[in-house]
Amino acid sequence: GEDVEQSLFLSVREGDSSVINCTYTDSSSTYLYWYKQEPGAGLQLLTYIFSNMDMKQDQRLTVLLNKKDKHLSLRIADTQTGDSAIYFCAESGMFSGGYNKLIFGAGTRLAVHP
Amino acid sequence: DGGITQSPKYLFRKEGQNVTLSCEQNLNHDAMYWYRQDPGQGLRLIYYSQIVNDFQKGDIAEGYSVSREKKESFPLTVTSAQKNPTAFYLCASSMAGQAGELFFGEGSRLTVL
Repeated sequence: GEDVEQSLFLSVREGDSSVINCTYTDSSSTYLYWYKQEPGAGLQLLTYIFSNMDMKQDQRLTVLLNKKDKHLSLRIADTQTGDSAIYFCAESGMFSGGYNKLIFGAGTRLAVHP
Repeated sequence: DGGITQSPKYLFRKEGQNVTLSCEQNLNHDAMYWYRQDPGQGLRLIYYSQIVNDFQKGDIAEGYSVSREKKESFPLTVTSAQKNPTAFYLCASSMAGQAGELFFGEGSRLTVL
């Protein structure tokens, strides 16, 4: 079945790089996504990668995709206190009615300390 | 500004009572979704709607009901049949066929006393 797994917690020092990892099961996923949730708020789409890409860079964010191992990672360079949040990995799947859906991981809580 | 508005942000309910959470969007999106978030469990899909007057059960629909009478609105009722309703509820919307690019509201936290 479809499943997305992430470690639940990551602590980094301000200015260091953060790497959040995710594994997924559905090899047919067309896109893979990273969402960010700040405390007490909804999620916002951070970035996504098409399944035929290995890497995508967007300013301080780098997404790496290893399709063979079904492993996705999000690297945040020069991590700041404002990056403290929960980061969700998600893969695209399919409802029984044929519509696309997202399957979310449990989220990784990133804590940035001075 | 376009966006999704959920209300109320905080809600307390006694056991045995039904409660309705509001979700309104002005993004002109066809699809709307309700998720439940519990600590350490990520997001679980309750109901979704791809078009007005149509909706489908998600992964954990038992004890919940929805309606989609208007494109802009997708209210969720948490009924007394929901055994463990205390949670953070998130509404989202997307353009048709773009379920990966979800726009979320700020959430409603329901506590059952």
